Amino acid sequence: DGGITQSPKYLFRKEGQNVTLSCEQNLNHDAMYWYRQDPGQGLRLIYYSQIVNDFQKGDIAEGYSVSREKKESFPLTVTSAQKNPTAFYLCASTVVGASYNEQFFGPGTRLTVL
Amino acid sequence: QKEVEQNSGPLSVPEGAIASLNCTYSDRGSQSFFWYRQYSGKSPELIMFIYSNGDKEDGRFTAQLNKASQYVSLLIRDSQPSDSATYLCAVKGDKIIFGKGTRLHILP
Repeated sequence: DGGITQSPKYLFRKEGQNVTLSCEQNLNHDAMYWYRQDPGQGLRLIYYSQIVNDFQKGDIAEGYSVSREKKESFPLTVTSAQKNPTAFYLCASTVVGASYNEQFFGPGTRLTVL
Repeated sequence: QKEVEQNSGPLSVPEGAIASLNCTYSDRGSQSFFWYRQYSGKSPELIMFIYSNGDKEDGRFTAQLNKASQYVSLLIRDSQPSDSATYLCAVKGDKIIFGKGTRLHILP
């Protein structure tokens, strides 16, 4: 089955720790995205990548880092510099090209800071 | 700042009635428009997309687009309790922007 997987489903972080959220897709999509969703809020873009070894900051990149070493993988690291990281994190991917291509979402990771 | 606006709700609709969800956007260069459904604690899933003015129907769902008024809507006919969810409008120009979503509650 083609799709996007995210792990872990739930993650707990202590103050001052860096944590890495995994995102893998087997859809052969070029573009991948990380969003953050807070209760009652829409999706805010953290980082995106349209090609391997290249990525761009989104609207709220501070305190986060990413890498894109493989087409299939786009991990997100939440660093200790992110002061309020508790949120629902969503990874998405899409084909680059036609404007009407939808974004497919993974199941999400819920991060809680203890 | 390019924006996508939705009424946060909750919008309460009796079972079997038509639910009407609305979305306005600021970027006139937007080319394609998406409606996602998101159940509590889950990730968004695509319901409809539209890119031409007018109506597009898929089963109980109809998307309506009016580019002149910068307005897109989603109609859900014969609403079911399983339609209770948050509906996100997304607008794509040079990048995709999501609205904050409208919570829909179908009353049994």
